[in-house]
Amino acid sequence: NAGVTQTPKFQVLKTGQSMTLQCAQDMNHEYMSWYRQDPGMGLRLIHYSVGAGITDQGEVPNGYNVSRSTTEDFPLRLLSAAPSQTSVYFCASRPLRQGGNTIYFGEGSWLTVV
Amino acid sequence: AQKVTQAQTEISVVEKEDVTLDCVYETRDTTYYLFWYKQPPSGELVFLIRRNSFDEQNEISGRYSWNFQKSTSSFNFTITASQVVDSAVYFCALSDTQGGSEKLVFGKGTKLTVNP
Repeated sequence: NAGVTQTPKFQVLKTGQSMTLQCAQDMNHEYMSWYRQDPGMGLRLIHYSVGAGITDQGEVPNGYNVSRSTTEDFPLRLLSAAPSQTSVYFCASRPLRQGGNTIYFGEGSWLTVV
Repeated sequence: AQKVTQAQTEISVVEKEDVTLDCVYETRDTTYYLFWYKQPPSGELVFLIRRNSFDEQNEISGRYSWNFQKSTSSFNFTITASQVVDSAVYFCALSDTQGGSEKLVFGKGTKLTVNP
């Protein structure tokens, strides 16, 4: 049982490049989400999904795309990276039916856009 | 809209001191959940506690204790006899329930430094 796995852990991109942050969980959780963490801002929700084929926007969705083709995977895509997207990204999951239950976070992905 | 305020940006204490981290929240929901997470220098987020809005009992876990007061919309976290290993950023969070899809709203965090 690996929990929530994020890859890569570190990435440097040039402005305009695209990339995908991968997130996988092996706990059969319906709910998955992506947060970004910036200094002095706490964590802010980018996108979330309550099940395969269902996604929705969070607080800061601009510049990011997501899809949820399987229960296990919830990739986050940056189509044209910008320096403002330099941040630490956390993927999280939890079982949907257990309302308010613990949310499990991945270890984070450090992204730098130059 | 839901909001979490952690007014203390940084706190510095000497080992063995007690320290309280403040958390004030705003919500219109009658059912909600409050959380505390710890983020050590290594960067991962460590779950500490979850409290639902109907349970106002204070909780103690070792050197950690939490004081939940609905009357003041506060969910404060106290570390007794702090240790250097407690140095971390601590986040308070509130579940945001909209249409059955819960999202966590985080405070901006309090950086705690415990000096030897």
